[in-house]
Amino acid sequence: EAGVTQFPSHSVIEKGQTVTLRCDPISGHDNLYWYRRVMGKEIKFLLHFVKESKQDESGMPNNRFLAERTGGTYSTLKVQPAELEDSGVYFCASSPGLTNRYEQYFGPGTRLTVT
Amino acid sequence: EDQVTQSPEALRLQEGESSSLNCSYTVSGLRGLFWYRQDPGKGPEFLFTLYSAGEEKEKERLKATLTKKESFLHITAPKPEDSATYLCAVQAGAAGNKLTFGGGTRVLVKP
Repeated sequence: EAGVTQFPSHSVIEKGQTVTLRCDPISGHDNLYWYRRVMGKEIKFLLHFVKESKQDESGMPNNRFLAERTGGTYSTLKVQPAELEDSGVYFCASSPGLTNRYEQYFGPGTRLTVT
Repeated sequence: EDQVTQSPEALRLQEGESSSLNCSYTVSGLRGLFWYRQDPGKGPEFLFTLYSAGEEKEKERLKATLTKKESFLHITAPKPEDSATYLCAVQAGAAGNKLTFGGGTRVLVKP
């Protein structure tokens, strides 16, 4: 079974530019999550999709971040315009739906560097 | 607000030298406590879920235990391949599915 995949693995952009990160969850997983780790800090929750619906956006830092999950399959996270403090590693995770198993399976992450 | 604190921040062990990592948590209505392993440049890899105080889970040289305030990850007779960062995370009943992570413990096992 293929795991969670993320693209690109690394992105370097200039302040003010736009970047779009993509996540493909494990096939059949209804729940999809975005997290990020900025330098020296712990991993922090950004948002949670159940299928195509946003279940929890409480971790999104501001309106420069836009997440979508059209059709309930893959998800994109767009940062527009990027700021220096957006640099970090963005992780995507997925988990099965409608079960009592809560563990989340993480992708390898996208390292975003804003210069 | 849910809080997770891991200690120590870093741990250097000789091969075969058993030790324990601590994860202290403050959460309203624990739904689950999760241990992950993370290697450099990779995403967190799921190890265990613990749901209630007194529960224990084992996998190879790792054993996780849970009380009402903290969890321990015991590493028995570690090998160099056990070197990694170990992350603890909690899921609270009132907070939906999101995970709240601790800062991690970096473990280095020297041969």
